[in-house]
Amino acid sequence: GENVEQHPSTLSVQEGDSAVIKCTYSDSASNYFPWYKQELGKRPQLIIDIRSNVGEKKDQRIAVTLNKTAKHFSLHITETQPEDSAVYFCAASEDFGNEKLTFGTGTRLTIIP
Amino acid sequence: KAGVTQTPRYLIKTRGQQVTLSCSPISGHRSVSWYQQTPGQGLQFLFEYFSETQRNKGNFPGRFSGRQFSNSRSEMNVSTLELGDSALYLCASSFPTNEQYFGPGTRLTVT
Repeated sequence: GENVEQHPSTLSVQEGDSAVIKCTYSDSASNYFPWYKQELGKRPQLIIDIRSNVGEKKDQRIAVTLNKTAKHFSLHITETQPEDSAVYFCAASEDFGNEKLTFGTGTRLTIIP
Repeated sequence: KAGVTQTPRYLIKTRGQQVTLSCSPISGHRSVSWYQQTPGQGLQFLFEYFSETQRNKGNFPGRFSGRQFSNSRSEMNVSTLELGDSALYLCASSFPTNEQYFGPGTRLTVT
């Protein structure tokens, strides 16, 4: 089955700096890679996703890159703000018809004011 | 649209008992997936239902089961509860796209 590894497990960044979280996956059949943000006591919130036919996707301060050959994908947050502090999870699944998400172990991001 | 809802939000049960959790998906979503979240094991896939049929299943024992109704609402059941079943149980709905949106979860404590 699929295995997703995520690094680092914790990350502290000065407010205004950039943060990068990296994930690798094992199953070459995986084609869909979402990222979730989970604040303390709240539900995981989908913040951005990418499919295998795209190498990069950007949404304001958040971007995700995908390298299918190397089987890794990354989340980039620029101009970090205190409200970006949360646990971030990457995940992978096959595309339509297989909704099983395999999650990484999470990255606790702390933005230092 | 209203988001995914789950009931109850909190539950305390005793070892050996059984429990049923409910999930109402976003209107129009036909797929419901269930996940278990614990500090030690993270987020793990339990099963997914689509059009009242279980389409995918994770690596959990048979004590964990589920079903989906014609209105896409889903329930999951855990029988013979063990201490290790204490967790946050999350459901997520999707389809026609595969973007999954999570409910607030049910916090289950087994004593």
